[in-house]
Amino acid sequence: NAGVTQTPKFRILKIGQSMTLQCTQDMNHNYMYWYRQDPGMGLKLIYYSVGAGITDKGEVPNGYNVSRSTTEDFPLRLELAAPSQTSVYFCASSSGQGVSYEQYFGPGTRLTVT
Amino acid sequence: AQKITQTQPGMFVQEKEAVTLDCTYDTSDPSYGLFWYKQPSSGEMIFLIYQGSYDQQNATEGRYSLNFQKARKSANLVISASQLGDSAMYFCAMREAGGSQGNLIFGKGTKLSVKP
Repeated sequence: NAGVTQTPKFRILKIGQSMTLQCTQDMNHNYMYWYRQDPGMGLKLIYYSVGAGITDKGEVPNGYNVSRSTTEDFPLRLELAAPSQTSVYFCASSSGQGVSYEQYFGPGTRLTVT
Repeated sequence: AQKITQTQPGMFVQEKEAVTLDCTYDTSDPSYGLFWYKQPSSGEMIFLIYQGSYDQQNATEGRYSLNFQKARKSANLVISASQLGDSAMYFCAMREAGGSQGNLIFGKGTKLSVKP
């Protein structure tokens, strides 16, 4: 079972460059999330989606964009990368929005902007 | 105000001993869920245990148990018989029923080191 997959695992960007972090889940989950984890910190929500075609901002959305054209895919776009975006990015999915629904995490993408 | 507070940046425990990792939370929502995740050095997030706000009994999963004290708003993770493989970061997280986003709110984590 693949679960939630993310590509790439590592990436180094120069300031001002752009890139897309890919996220795919094969569990037919409607709810998908992008988090970032800064060194020594917990995860913070960037964007989320409650289904194909529906996305919304989380706590730290500035500098990012998302799209959700299919149930399976939820890519995160970084435009004009800045050093402040150096972080580990996690994609997660869930079958429901209730309090008990577990979120399944991808392996993460470690991004460095220099 | 922080919604999830983990006051122990780092903890040491001797192999085979039990250890408690502290977590306090802040919410006015009567319905919420509390989660613990393990993050080993390889970086992935591993779900350990879940406790619902209306659950009458403390959750247990193998060597993991959750000491849930609702009045004190604490949800401490207890790991019994620590193993070397338990060395990792541990995150407490909460999801509120009234939260429109359905996301998890994380604490800053506790780094657990198990000594042989």
